[in-house]
Amino acid sequence: AQKITQTQPGMFVQEKEAVTLDCTYDTSDPSYGLFWYKQPSSGEMIFLIYQGSYDQQNATEGRYSLNFQKARKSANLVISASQLGDSAMYFCAMAPKTSYDKVIFGPGTSLSVIP
Amino acid sequence: DSGVTQTPKHLITATGQRVTLRCSPRSGDLSVYWYQQSLDQGLQFLIHYYNGEERAKGNILERFSAQQFPDLHSELNLSSLELGDSALYFCASSVEASSRGEQYFGPGTRLTVT
Repeated sequence: AQKITQTQPGMFVQEKEAVTLDCTYDTSDPSYGLFWYKQPSSGEMIFLIYQGSYDQQNATEGRYSLNFQKARKSANLVISASQLGDSAMYFCAMAPKTSYDKVIFGPGTSLSVIP
Repeated sequence: DSGVTQTPKHLITATGQRVTLRCSPRSGDLSVYWYQQSLDQGLQFLIHYYNGEERAKGNILERFSAQQFPDLHSELNLSSLELGDSALYFCASSVEASSRGEQYFGPGTRLTVT
């Protein structure tokens, strides 16, 4: 069965510092996608970054990068130069590449950026 | 702004009632997904429609149903409402041509059942 684990319920980071949000997953699918979404206090879910399981390089999108370690089944999100607007819930998600509607989400990590 | 619209933004109703949530996907997106987010269950996939046809079902109760219309907007119908149905309901759409499968979420409808 597929499962996403985010072990950090809450994280704090100083403004302008980098922070890593942990995500580990379990799947028997040979090919899958990993996603990170951000949910600010306003409630909307915002897509941040995607990593395919067979991608050779770690994904980057602006200040977001994904530290993908396939053997360890981890897909940690790294946010560089944190900004106050980064304060939000962050969800790691996974779906088999053959069936992206079977996406599952982790429980989320609450990130607070301190001025 | 993701381009996905949902109405209403808030809905307060009583137990036993029926409500309809509406979603319009981003222009050009054929897929619509519905999710329920609650404090105890987290974010749960309910159902996926593609171009008017049901593609996949997740943890959707029999009291809930959905449909996607020819203009691609979708409605989620919740009936015989219970207190436990109080949650944030999201609609999302995706680009079929994308190999990534990322989904773009609407702002959500917050349902409160009293």
